[in-house]
Amino acid sequence: AQKVTQAQTEISVVEKEDVTLDCVYETRDTTYYLFWYKQPPSGELVFLIRRNSFDEQNEISGRYSWNFQKSTSSFNFTITASQVVDSAVYFCALSERGFGNEKLTFGTGTRLTIIP
Amino acid sequence: DTGVSQNPRHKITKRGQNVTFRCDPISEHNRLYWYRQTLGQGPEFLTYFQNEAQLEKSRLLSDRFSAERPKGSFSTLEIQRTEQGDSAMYLCASSSTAPDGLLNTDTQYFGPGTRLTVL
Repeated sequence: AQKVTQAQTEISVVEKEDVTLDCVYETRDTTYYLFWYKQPPSGELVFLIRRNSFDEQNEISGRYSWNFQKSTSSFNFTITASQVVDSAVYFCALSERGFGNEKLTFGTGTRLTIIP
Repeated sequence: DTGVSQNPRHKITKRGQNVTFRCDPISEHNRLYWYRQTLGQGPEFLTYFQNEAQLEKSRLLSDRFSAERPKGSFSTLEIQRTEQGDSAMYLCASSSTAPDGLLNTDTQYFGPGTRLTVL
């Protein structure tokens, strides 16, 4: 069965510091997708990134970057120069390439607080 | 796109009552998912539709839960004889399967959720 572990329950950093959120996954499939979602206090899950299992290139989008390492089954998320608006709960999720159903398995989330 | 919408946003009910939630997906999205999120946890998959067909249900979905997507557009999730343990945020997501070579593009976009409180 697939599983996603986010060992960091809560992280607090001072504004402008860099912060890395860890995600470790388990799957028996060779084809799968990994996702990161942000859940601000308003509650709506906001899609941040999707990465497929064949693409191990790291990705950067503005202050956000993602490091995907199949060898360690990890998909970590780094925010550089953090801002107060980054405060939210961040979820890592895994989708196996089943027979048409890409249901997501989520981790328990990491609550990130940026201190002004 | 106006995004995924859900109604109501909040629902308070007494134990034993029936409740129904509605989800309107992003237009032309053929897949629709329901998840449940309890406090301090990540969303958990409940069920999934492709067009009007309900293709999978989680073990979490007891016989008190039923979901429909009659015309392949909006969906409803009904909980009968609610229990206090049903208190949670119910999230809806939609996606589009657009073939892209060997891989389908299928990113799920979530609505704001319906928060259910059972007294």
